[in-house]
Amino acid sequence: DAGITQSPRYKITETGRQVTLMCHQTWSHSYMFWYRQDLGHGLRLIYYSAAADITDKGEVPDGYVVSRSKTENFPLTLESATRSQTSVYFCATRDTLNTEAFFGQGTRLTVV
Amino acid sequence: EDKVVQSPLSLVVHEGDTVTLNCSYEVTNFRSLLWYKQEKKAPTFLFMLTSSGIEKKSGRLSSILDKKELFSILNITATQTGDSAIYLCAVSIQGAQKLVFGQGTRLTINP
Repeated sequence: DAGITQSPRYKITETGRQVTLMCHQTWSHSYMFWYRQDLGHGLRLIYYSAAADITDKGEVPDGYVVSRSKTENFPLTLESATRSQTSVYFCATRDTLNTEAFFGQGTRLTVV
Repeated sequence: EDKVVQSPLSLVVHEGDTVTLNCSYEVTNFRSLLWYKQEKKAPTFLFMLTSSGIEKKSGRLSSILDKKELFSILNITATQTGDSAIYLCAVSIQGAQKLVFGQGTRLTINP
């Protein structure tokens, strides 16, 4: 039972390139989230999704795009990467709003 | 704007000490408060608190919520080096799917 799988685990990309971070869950949880974690800021919400084809902006959505064509996948795309998007990105799922969130192992993205 | 603030941001203690981590919040419509422990990788769930005054306990860790004063504490007794981690507090909001996180407390336990 893999739970949540993020890929890649590490990525270095150049400024201006498009990059997609993948998130896959095996639980069929309704809710999925993308957070970024930076020193001094804790976890900040980028985008979230309540179900397939339903997505919404979080606290820091600029420069990011998401899609959710299938319940189990929630890819995050940086359309034109900038150095300020260097961060650790976590995908998370929740079964219901009364349960905890489960996190993937994270993707460390460096934009050079 | 929904806000969660943790204190202290960093704490260094000796093995065997007891520590108390704080989390205060200002949110529009509170549903629950969650504590997570983050070592090298993904945050792992510790507790979910929904009612005031009811302590949740797991081994040497315990937590309690005060909905009147809008804060929660996480206690760790007889600390061990394996307790070294970042402890994250998050609030779940009624009518919204998201969790709002505090900045985290980095706890270091020295032998």
